[in-house]
Amino acid sequence: KAGVTQTPRYLIKTRGQQVTLSCSPISGHRSVSWYQQTPGQGLQFLFEYFSETQRNKGNFPGRFSGRQFSNSRSEMNVSTLELGDSALYLCASSLRQGGTEAFFGQGTRLTVV
Amino acid sequence: QKEVEQDPGPLSVPEGAIVSLNCTYSNSAFQYFMWYRQYSRKGPELLMYTYSSGNKEDGRFTAQVDKSSKYISLFIRDSQPSDSATYLCAMINYGGSQGNLIFGKGTKLSVKP
Repeated sequence: KAGVTQTPRYLIKTRGQQVTLSCSPISGHRSVSWYQQTPGQGLQFLFEYFSETQRNKGNFPGRFSGRQFSNSRSEMNVSTLELGDSALYLCASSLRQGGTEAFFGQGTRLTVV
Repeated sequence: QKEVEQDPGPLSVPEGAIVSLNCTYSNSAFQYFMWYRQYSRKGPELLMYTYSSGNKEDGRFTAQVDKSSKYISLFIRDSQPSDSATYLCAMINYGGSQGNLIFGKGTKLSVKP
């Protein structure tokens, strides 16, 4: 059974640009959550999508947005990139909304220069 | 005060030692308690989760939850060099039927041969 797939694995962007990250959940999983991981703040929750609807949102500015498609694949977009957005972005999939058994992808390492 | 506190370490032990990893939390509404292991350049991997207070054992790993003290632990018996990783505790509050994982910052463990 394939795991959670995130693309791309690495990304370098310039301040002010925007970026889109992709996440394909485990087959049959309908919930996708996104997290930002930095050395200073650790893992912080961005948002969760379930059945194409955002169900929960963390404390991040509106520059961070996402969506989920009918096949449960999800994308995350960050507009007007700032240096502080450099981080490892992780997505996690689970069967149910807010599922306790969340399986993470390997992440996308975003560097903003 | 952060909702979840975890000593970042690093923690270095000899092979075969018993390792104790701990987290404290402030929100008494947390109901599920998870431990994740994260190897360098990888996403977090769910080790085990427990509901409410009590112990749970899985092979060399034992998770303990003491809700009265707001304290959770992960014990690793007969530690191996392959256990060298960052260990993250996480918790969920299902208040309002929505929940997301709240993580500690992780403890970096090194098991020396």
